[in-house]
Amino acid sequence: ETGVTQSPTHLIKTRGQQVTLRCSSQSGHNTVSWYQQALGQGPQFIFQYYREEENGRGNFPPRFSGLQFPNYSSELNVNALELDDSALYLCASSSGTGPYEQYFGPGTRLTVT
Amino acid sequence: AQSVSQHNHHVILSEAASLELGCNYSYGGTVNLFWYVQYPGQHLQLLLKYFSGDPLVKGIKGFEAEFIKSKFSFNLRKPSVQWSDTAEYFCAVNGHNAGNMLTFGGGTRLMVKP
Repeated sequence: ETGVTQSPTHLIKTRGQQVTLRCSSQSGHNTVSWYQQALGQGPQFIFQYYREEENGRGNFPPRFSGLQFPNYSSELNVNALELDDSALYLCASSSGTGPYEQYFGPGTRLTVT
Repeated sequence: AQSVSQHNHHVILSEAASLELGCNYSYGGTVNLFWYVQYPGQHLQLLLKYFSGDPLVKGIKGFEAEFIKSKFSFNLRKPSVQWSDTAEYFCAVNGHNAGNMLTFGGGTRLMVKP
């Protein structure tokens, strides 16, 4: 059974640029959620994708967007990067949109300078 | 809206000491509750979860947690910690009307001295 994988591991971008982060869900999981974890804080829910559609969103601006593909992998896109976007971005997969256990990937560390 | 509060930000214990980490949540309905652990350099892993039934739940590595509905609490306990328990611990809540969205607390960093 393959766990959740994320790429890249680390990324450095300049303010105003755009970034795309990628996530492959665990085998058999059709739901992907994205979280932002700022340094010293707990993860914050960005949004969730189920059957290629957004299925819930946290308190993040529209410049945070995503996609889910037919193989259930997902992308997180952030436009017009700001310094405060520097964080660890976590992807989690689960086997449905109910209260199922979420399995987390190792994260992508984004630094915005 | 749902929220989670973890009162202890940093805890330092000696090996064999008992552990209790506090977690209180706010949500006006039925909840599912989780404790996740993040070992140094590793990804978040589930320690234990409560969905329904017995409010005392047992997880991996000797951890347990008790759901006290009247206190909106879900404290994590371990009778005797080991050096390998050094990690950051996160409590999380999922309200039944919140889909699969998890709301995490700020985390508690535990250091166990050998």
